Amino acid sequence: NAGVMQNPRHLVRRRGQEARLRCSPMKGHSHVYWYRQLPEEGLKFMVYLQKENIIDESGMPKERFSAEFPKEGPSILRIQQVVRGDSAAYFCASSPGPPNTGELFFGEGSRLTVL
Amino acid sequence: KQEVTQIPAALSVPEGENLVLNCSFTDSAIYNLQWFRQDPGKGLTSLLLIQSSQREQTSGRLNASLDKSSGRSTLYIAASQPGDSATYLCAVKAGNMLTFGGGTRLMVKP
Repeated sequence: NAGVMQNPRHLVRRRGQEARLRCSPMKGHSHVYWYRQLPEEGLKFMVYLQKENIIDESGMPKERFSAEFPKEGPSILRIQQVVRGDSAAYFCASSPGPPNTGELFFGEGSRLTVL
Repeated sequence: KQEVTQIPAALSVPEGENLVLNCSFTDSAIYNLQWFRQDPGKGLTSLLLIQSSQREQTSGRLNASLDKSSGRSTLYIAASQPGDSATYLCAVKAGNMLTFGGGTRLMVKP
């Protein structure tokens, strides 16, 4: 059973470009979470999704950031018109059930560098 | 708003020592608490999960305890090894999210 798969592992973008980060949860997991780790800071919650639904996006910046988890395919975190402050490691996690059950399993992260 | 604090922020010990990492949280209404390990440039590896109804969990040389009423958890590492060098993160789950502490950077010297 493969773990949580994230790609790309490293992404370089120039200011103003778009970044798309992908996350395939563990097999059988229908709950996906995105977290961001800014340089020298802790991990912060961004968004929680189930298949085709955004459940909680209270940690998402109000502009330029969006997330989806379609019926088929991976979850996508999309950052439009990137700025230098978006440079960070973005981690995806999945779980088989809702938040009040079980543990989260994290991927290796996607490291975004904005030039 | 849940806040998680880890003490110490950094720790350097000689190989073979037993050590304790501390985690405290402000809101005791949690589902569970997880301890993770993060190596530089890598993802998070789950070490131990303690449900809110449990007091402790053990895995190999690791033992984690949870005192929900006082908002504290400790991670005990026995007979530390250089391979244990990493950042250790404590996270509590409440609502839809995990709230992470700032981590303890551990260096075990040969």
